Amino acid sequence: KQEVTQIPAALSVPEGENLVLNCSFTDSAIYNLQWFRQDPGKGLTSLLLIQSSQREQTSGRLNASLDKSSGRSTLYIAASQPGDSATYLCAVNYNNNDMRFGAGTRLTVKP
Amino acid sequence: DGGITQSPKYLFRKEGQNVTLSCEQNLNHDAMYWYRQDPGQGLRLIYYSQIVNDFQKGDIAEGYSVSREKKESFPLTVTSAQKNPTAFYLCASSMSFGNQPQHFGDGTRLSIL
Repeated sequence: KQEVTQIPAALSVPEGENLVLNCSFTDSAIYNLQWFRQDPGKGLTSLLLIQSSQREQTSGRLNASLDKSSGRSTLYIAASQPGDSATYLCAVNYNNNDMRFGAGTRLTVKP
Repeated sequence: DGGITQSPKYLFRKEGQNVTLSCEQNLNHDAMYWYRQDPGQGLRLIYYSQIVNDFQKGDIAEGYSVSREKKESFPLTVTSAQKNPTAFYLCASSMSFGNQPQHFGDGTRLSIL
């Protein structure tokens, strides 16, 4: 069974702190992995997409890494801001375009 | 502005009633998807459509139906056979059914009266 797990379920940090969100998956035969942001009552916004042949992707203060052999991805957020408060979801795309989503990590950045 | 529009934002269903959730996109995308999101769980795929006049069941299709008569529209009907319909429903699209990031609408929250 292809499962995606995100730990922790919730995280609260003071403004300015660097933080890491974790995503683990059970089947390493992935096509790509995507990180999304979801604000309350809203849809998902794509943040970063990592192809299976890549090890990391960067966009501004965000850096996502991928280690297929260990079944892990991390999303690193530098110098966190209150506007980063949201739920972050990891989605693993398998070869048949079967996307499996984690339950998300709810991040709160306190001013 | 290109994007995906879902309506209504909130919807209430009475016992034995069918309700239809609207999803429209002006991105000229071929593929469209419906997901269900429940608290503490990841998104689960209900139905998807690779192209007009085609659609396939996802992981939790029972109690739901869809149509894809136009490229830009992919409505979802929650039938009375769906015994636990209370959830947040998200529509998404991608340029093609394959290795593309998916674009999402803002969702419809369905509750039972």
